[in-house]
Amino acid sequence: QKEVEQNSGPLSVPEGAIASLNCTYSDRGSQSFFWYRQYSGKSPELIMSIYSNGDKEDGRFTAQLNKASQYVSLLIRDSQPSDSATYLCAVTGVGFNKFYFGSGTKLNVKP
Amino acid sequence: GAGVSQSPSNKVTEKGKDVELRCDPISGHTALYWYRQSLGQGLEFLIYFQGNSAPDKSGLPSDRFSAERTGGSVSTLTIQRTQQEDSAVYLCASSYQGGGSGNEQFFGPGTRLTVL
Repeated sequence: QKEVEQNSGPLSVPEGAIASLNCTYSDRGSQSFFWYRQYSGKSPELIMSIYSNGDKEDGRFTAQLNKASQYVSLLIRDSQPSDSATYLCAVTGVGFNKFYFGSGTKLNVKP
Repeated sequence: GAGVSQSPSNKVTEKGKDVELRCDPISGHTALYWYRQSLGQGLEFLIYFQGNSAPDKSGLPSDRFSAERTGGSVSTLTIQRTQQEDSAVYLCASSYQGGGSGNEQFFGPGTRLTVL
């Protein structure tokens, strides 16, 4: 069983719609959760970090964490073609030191 | 402020040669991570440094791979006797403390290694 699971996609949404990306993790002791965006041929770029249950909003992005159900999600409102990328979910294990990355969900936003 | 830097950006080598990849973390970041990403694949964890020590080397794929960090700053990943399956993008990331809140990782641009 992988530590972090993501649907590989591609997830296609029309411009202006809400894109919903989901991630589940296996370690109940996980403490820190992150979303990264990776454009083709580029390195991952941090979008959001979340550490406690609930929602965290930053501009068009909202991260949601539910530790009881062991999932974390990312909502992108008013999706733009420039949001088209692969989104990586990352979770730290017990002791925080090691990051576990999902394999990523490819998002296509169609004009 | 400067981000994480890596050199070289591209490296082409012949099978059997040794290569050294360099990572310069963000100033003040105590934790440093190396990952490998093959084409179209996810991130593969290689090694983690806290200061100059490496408490987690579990991801190094073979004894041909080694890494060191000196002065709590620059790190070098060395691959000896390179093989074609070593071809990938090698990514370095750093974070402020490597634990607890505020431990976001920031990535460098990567080194694309091609072994002929």
